[in-house]
Amino acid sequence: AQSVTQLDSQVPVFEEAPVELRCNYSSSVSVYLFWYVQYPNQGLQLLLKYLSGSTLVKGINGFEAEFNKSQTSFHLRKPSVHISDTAEYFCAFPLVGTSYGKLTFGQGTILTVHP
Amino acid sequence: DTAVSQTPKYLVTQMGNDKSIKCEQNLGHDTMYWYKQDSKKFLKIMFSYNNKELIINETVPNRFSPKSPDKAHLNLHINSLELGDSAVYFCASSPRLAGGAQETQYFGPGTRLLVL
Repeated sequence: AQSVTQLDSQVPVFEEAPVELRCNYSSSVSVYLFWYVQYPNQGLQLLLKYLSGSTLVKGINGFEAEFNKSQTSFHLRKPSVHISDTAEYFCAFPLVGTSYGKLTFGQGTILTVHP
Repeated sequence: DTAVSQTPKYLVTQMGNDKSIKCEQNLGHDTMYWYKQDSKKFLKIMFSYNNKELIINETVPNRFSPKSPDKAHLNLHINSLELGDSAVYFCASSPRLAGGAQETQYFGPGTRLLVL
């Protein structure tokens, strides 16, 4: 069965510090991987996605993620966070072998950036 | 120019009532979705429609009935509301079925439903 696990439910960090949000997936076939962000009281928006090709994916707001097939991971990183990055972050991937986007989401990681 | 909009934003109602949530997208997308986010922020897909045709129907009580009058709208009707239905319901859309699993989904702001 396919699944995605976010290893940290909460990550507190100081402003301008680097951050890594961890995501591991389980799948026996090739995957696409997504990171979505949910700001307080808003819907989700795409940060970045890995489809194929380069394993380092750059997204919006200075975030990037690296696809690591051997470790089945897709960790999200930012070298220097800002207060406005405070949000909940979701790792997700679609059900493989379908022609539609049935996304499976991780449990979410709340990133809190402190001044 | 909201891309995916939902109404109402908040909905407080009594157990046993019937309520509807409306969703509209002005992105020209073919596929629309309903997700439920529970109190622990866990997101789970409920339904998906492509060009008014139901393509995903997860294990959801049949008190929940989606309706798509056209490809820009996907409404969710809930009969006989229960306490456990309290959650945030998100509508989303994506460009085209052919793009399938690669497509980005665009989410609405959510409808916060509280059943008393």
